[in-house]
Amino acid sequence: DQQVKQNSPSLSVQEGRISILNCDYTNSMFDYFLWYKKYPAEGPTFLISISSIKDKNEDGRFTVFLNKSAKHLSLHIVPSQPGDSAVYFCAASAVRGAQKLVFGQGTRLTINP
Amino acid sequence: SQTIHQWPATLVQPVGSPLSLECTVEGTSNPNLYWYRQAAGRGLQLLFYSVGIGQISSEVPQNLSASRPQDRQFILSSKKLLLSDSGFYLCACTLAGNTDTQYFGPGTRLTVL
Repeated sequence: DQQVKQNSPSLSVQEGRISILNCDYTNSMFDYFLWYKKYPAEGPTFLISISSIKDKNEDGRFTVFLNKSAKHLSLHIVPSQPGDSAVYFCAASAVRGAQKLVFGQGTRLTINP
Repeated sequence: SQTIHQWPATLVQPVGSPLSLECTVEGTSNPNLYWYRQAAGRGLQLLFYSVGIGQISSEVPQNLSASRPQDRQFILSSKKLLLSDSGFYLCACTLAGNTDTQYFGPGTRLTVL
């Protein structure tokens, strides 16, 4: 049972444009969501998070939107840069903060010059 | 700030051989510790988590086990490896008093032949 789903395995975006990565979840008990970026053969690095009491959180070029009624969140990267090319994972937790995370399958983002 | 060390970085083991992967954390005390596995083309799957010395919770039934002999040491073991144990193993932690983010180590690439 995949509780967190990233339905797009890959995404290709031109440099300077907006990248939008999507994530859906099924467990209504999830109340905290995170996005991680991962390069090959490295551990994931934290990008941005959002609590279920908010519908938007912004940090520099990264913005996460949460639609609780649709059980959907998205990560916007504006403007996209070549260094953003990586695999992006969304994760969710129902246990106070970033504990016992459930991860999606990941989306490979490629930024084309 | 915290730093997570994992070793070895890569490992090739025959089927049926034992396994021991080690994770140590620097820069924090009393962290929650986690073991994840990423199989080829898949997301991160939580295997074990620990809230303190000797306290281990298993999330997925399997032939792996975990131990936490010291506050900042987390070990993943197996008595007999299976082909399906191949994958990228990640150790992670959340900080005591601040569970907003999970921090990940560099990972160990395990290939079982």
